[in-house]
Amino acid sequence: EDQVTQSPEALRLQEGESSSLNCSYTVSGLRGLFWYRQDPGKGPEFLFTLYSAGEEKEKERLKATLTKKESFLHITAPKPEDSATYLCAVQADDRGSTLGRLYFGRGTQLTVWP
Amino acid sequence: ETGVTQSPTHLIKTRGQQVTLRCSSQSGHNTVSWYQQALGQGPQFIFQYYREEENGRGNFPPRFSGLQFPNYSSELNVNALELDDSALYLCASSLAGEGGPWDTDTQYFGPGTRLTVL
Repeated sequence: EDQVTQSPEALRLQEGESSSLNCSYTVSGLRGLFWYRQDPGKGPEFLFTLYSAGEEKEKERLKATLTKKESFLHITAPKPEDSATYLCAVQADDRGSTLGRLYFGRGTQLTVWP
Repeated sequence: ETGVTQSPTHLIKTRGQQVTLRCSSQSGHNTVSWYQQALGQGPQFIFQYYREEENGRGNFPPRFSGLQFPNYSSELNVNALELDDSALYLCASSLAGEGGPWDTDTQYFGPGTRLTVL
């Protein structure tokens, strides 16, 4: 069964202390890997889509990378406003199905303190 | 461009009741997916609607049902509510390509409806 595992479950960083979040996945074939940010009680906010190994995308202090089995979300010099839960999701490349569902990990809860 | 909207924001029901949640998709999108997110968990796929028909569902019982309207808005109905149905219900819209919902890019989520079942 397709699975997504995120680590660590929780991460506390001091402002300015860079780190990385991990997302490992097992799917028969990857259509796309997605990173979302979720604030408490709100819907996930789209950050990045990655399609193939070696691909990288950046947005402000965030950089997402993709290999054949995992993705990393690198956070450079984080600020308190970066505190949120970061969700990773994959869409399988199943051309026998018309379904475009996402499989989510449980997320990494990031806290950045001043 | 209008984003995905959901109503109501919060809802409190008692066990055995029925509930209807509503979603308006982002302008230009033709596919709607519904997810259930329990506290501390990642979203779980309920079902997806494309061209006003259910295109597939996850591991949820038939008492979870839905509709998609010609304007691509959607409803999620849950009958015979159980305590475990308490969760954040998320609607996501996307634009399916010629290959159908499989051939879709990013799903954009609404703010969610918080359902509490007592």
